[in-house]
Amino acid sequence: EVQLVQSGPEVKKPGESLRISCQGSGYNFFSNELNWVRQMPGRGLEWMGKIDPSDSYTKYSPSFEGRITFSVDKSSSSVSLQWSSLQASDTAIYYCARGMEVAGTGEWFDPWGQGTLVTVSS
Amino acid sequence: DIQMTQSPSSLSASAGDTVTIKCRASQNIDTFLNWYQAKSGKAPKLLIYAVTTLNSGVPPRFSGSGSGTDFTLTISSLQPDDFATYYCQQTHSNILSTFGPGTRVEI
Repeated sequence: EVQLVQSGPEVKKPGESLRISCQGSGYNFFSNELNWVRQMPGRGLEWMGKIDPSDSYTKYSPSFEGRITFSVDKSSSSVSLQWSSLQASDTAIYYCARGMEVAGTGEWFDPWGQGTLVTVSS
Repeated sequence: DIQMTQSPSSLSASAGDTVTIKCRASQNIDTFLNWYQAKSGKAPKLLIYAVTTLNSGVPPRFSGSGSGTDFTLTISSLQPDDFATYYCQQTHSNILSTFGPGTRVEI
């Protein structure tokens, strides 16, 4: 079974750093890009960007570029999302999702991790 | 950037109804349009990709149609498990994927 398992909930203070992770199993981890998606409380889904585990190529949404960093740990088949200085507005659920692509047809996200709730509060 | 809109933002329906959700892109996205179902406390689930293709395990009461800029998700014979929020997503722009704002289907 293809699975993405994310790290547990986090409670942080503004200004603190944080890394959350997403571990893939049941497929060739290096064959598909991993995407990150944010869902703020009561809001919709926002694509944050993606990383290619095979070469660590990253693409960030302009809305998030400069504030977050994606990375890969090949030894554990996992990707991470990192902040160096959290803000209260970073409070949200963060999902990783495998990108599936067929040339000329499209790209879609399946499956998704279970989500990591990040709470930033003083 | 490609902007996505959905209508309605929410709707009320009963089990057994047929509901239609519309999604519009700000420019031509060919067939790069997907639909997801999201429930509170659960990971979003891929329903339909490339406009019309049902993901494995998705019941055939879900269907998608459209092309270019206008797309539709139809749920026939609504079941209790279908009450959720539905999002469309464009991936035509490989640089920036965007989701619609969501449509909440309520009892």
